[in-house]
Amino acid sequence: DAGITQSPRHKVTETGTPVTLRCHQTENHRYMYWYRQDPGHGLRLIHYSYGVKDTDKGEVSDGYSVSRSKTEDFLLTLESATSSQTSVYFCAIRRTGTVRSDEQFFGPGTRLTVL
Amino acid sequence: LAKTTQPISMDSYEGQEVNITCSHNNIATNDYITWYQQFPSQGPRFIIQGYKTKVTNEVASLFIPADRKSSTLSLPRVSLSDTAVYYCLVGEVTGRRALTFGSGTRLQVQP
Repeated sequence: DAGITQSPRHKVTETGTPVTLRCHQTENHRYMYWYRQDPGHGLRLIHYSYGVKDTDKGEVSDGYSVSRSKTEDFLLTLESATSSQTSVYFCAIRRTGTVRSDEQFFGPGTRLTVL
Repeated sequence: LAKTTQPISMDSYEGQEVNITCSHNNIATNDYITWYQQFPSQGPRFIIQGYKTKVTNEVASLFIPADRKSSTLSLPRVSLSDTAVYYCLVGEVTGRRALTFGSGTRLQVQP
């Protein structure tokens, strides 16, 4: 599992409240990603990071911000949660420098419900 | 990023070989083809990756024709536990880039 944990695993919140999801890795990988997955759909990239304080937007970044102050932690923040952000959020790392250098490992996911 | 097209769903029976084809007509020279598997309530898991011809590992085989405009994931003798969604992705394997997942192919294996 490449030592990836996500917290919290489940959260219910109300519209308009800020929410921060945490992704933590133990293997010091440089590349980290945040995806969301909605029922019946594939994963959509929200934001990604190439290293500390080096982030970029994905295809569905509106309403989300990220921070990476340490290699091991990648935080996803919903500044003011909306019902459309109800989803399952997956964090991933990309293992580089190996034969399968494109291999991404995913965390267990966080199920977020915005009421 | 090269766009991929794959069937929405497929059905099979235990013990059969399953072939899932992915179309990627605008694949670039530096792009690799990668397949992921996702079970319900879990994140995707890497299955196999290739650039051309054939790649085989302990789980699956990947067939890529010379023009590389399509690829086929082959799962030998599937079991019920192979019921999952399978994603085909195309892109460079190095540098600053991110994977784009499509909707995938939902494989249902029946007893």
